[in-house]
Amino acid sequence: DAGVTQSPTHLIKTRGQHVTLRCSPISGHKSVSWYQQVLGQGPQFIFQYYEKEERGRGNFPDRFSARQFPNYSSELNVNALLLGDSALYLCASSLRLAGALQAGELFFGEGSRLTVL
Amino acid sequence: QQQVKQSPQSLIVQKGGISIINCAYENTAFDYFPWYQQFPGKGPALLIAIRPDVSEKKEGRFTISFNKSAKQFSLHIMDSQPGDSATYFCAAMKGGANNLFFGTGTRLTVIP
Repeated sequence: DAGVTQSPTHLIKTRGQHVTLRCSPISGHKSVSWYQQVLGQGPQFIFQYYEKEERGRGNFPDRFSARQFPNYSSELNVNALLLGDSALYLCASSLRLAGALQAGELFFGEGSRLTVL
Repeated sequence: QQQVKQSPQSLIVQKGGISIINCAYENTAFDYFPWYQQFPGKGPALLIAIRPDVSEKKEGRFTISFNKSAKQFSLHIMDSQPGDSATYFCAAMKGGANNLFFGTGTRLTVIP
């Protein structure tokens, strides 16, 4: 079975541009979460979506937005890119909603590495 | 504000030795404490996890020790192998919440 797949794997943007990152969860998983991992740091929670609804949001500016599609895939959008947005963006999927979520049921993809110049 | 503090930042251990990584937290609402292993170019993968009603959990060469009163937990890797060389993250989750709070990571290098 395929794991969590993310695209693109690497991309380079310039300040002020917009970026869209994509994630396909494990088949049957209805929840998708997004995390930002700055080089040398641990991942930080951005969003969680379950059944196409936003169920959680981390401490990120409104330039960050996301959505989940009927097939449970998800997009993360970042507008007006800043140098500080350079990071590895991780998508994680889980079968259930967070309230019943055990961390062991959270599966991460390999990430999309964004470089902002 | 870092919700989970992790040390050391880097660790070098001889093959066969014991690797120890420590984490501390303040929020007593945390009730689930996983450890993740991350290889370069890969996403984090769950290694082992513990709940605060247990003081120790062992899976193979990996052991979590948990001290609820001190709000500290640690990962012990016994008989460390070069294949264990990776970055390790501790994390914590609040009951009923929807996200993990990660530590800053420990880069482990096991020398053959």
